[in-house]
Amino acid sequence: KNQVEQSPQSLIILEGKNCTLQCNYTVSPFSNLRWYKQDTGRGPVSLTIMTFSENTKSNGRYTATLDADTKQSSLHITASQLSDSASYICVVSAGNFNKFYFGSGTKLNVKP
Amino acid sequence: NAGVTQTPKFQVLKTGQSMTLQCAQDMNHEYMSWYRQDPGMGLRLIHYSVGAGITDQGEVPNGYNVSRSTTEDFPLRLLSAAPSQTSVYFCASRQGGSNQPQHFGDGTRLSIL
Repeated sequence: KNQVEQSPQSLIILEGKNCTLQCNYTVSPFSNLRWYKQDTGRGPVSLTIMTFSENTKSNGRYTATLDADTKQSSLHITASQLSDSASYICVVSAGNFNKFYFGSGTKLNVKP
Repeated sequence: NAGVTQTPKFQVLKTGQSMTLQCAQDMNHEYMSWYRQDPGMGLRLIHYSVGAGITDQGEVPNGYNVSRSTTEDFPLRLLSAAPSQTSVYFCASRQGGSNQPQHFGDGTRLSIL
């Protein structure tokens, strides 16, 4: 069964600290893996897209990693800011490009 | 560019009523999709379109209809609203090609009483 599991479900960190969010998937055939940021009351916004051959991709303070062998990805946030408070969603695309499998997200709360 | 625009932002319906959720994009994207987002669950695909005049069902299509008469617009119709359709609905669009990002609207929050 094609699934995307994210952990933790929620996370509280202090401003300025780093954190890492996890994503495990069982989607096949794998096409790409995406991380989105969703602010409260808004739609998701794309952070990174990684294909099979990419194992790291950065977007500012966000760095995503992909291990296609173990089917795991992580999103590392460096020097967190209050504006990083949001849900982070991992999405895996299967061979049919209209098949996107969404994780249920990690809700991050950055406190001052 | 306005991106993806969804209207209305909020709506309350009574069971059995029908309504249309509007979605428009100004990026000339081929692909458009409708998702619903429920608490504790990932987004689930309702219907999608790969171009004007072409639509197909997603994971949870029952109770919803779509049409795509133009590249820009992709409305979602609820035929006879049910409480199980209470959700947040997101429209997304993207360019062709498997590695293109999806651009999402800000959602329509729908409550069915």
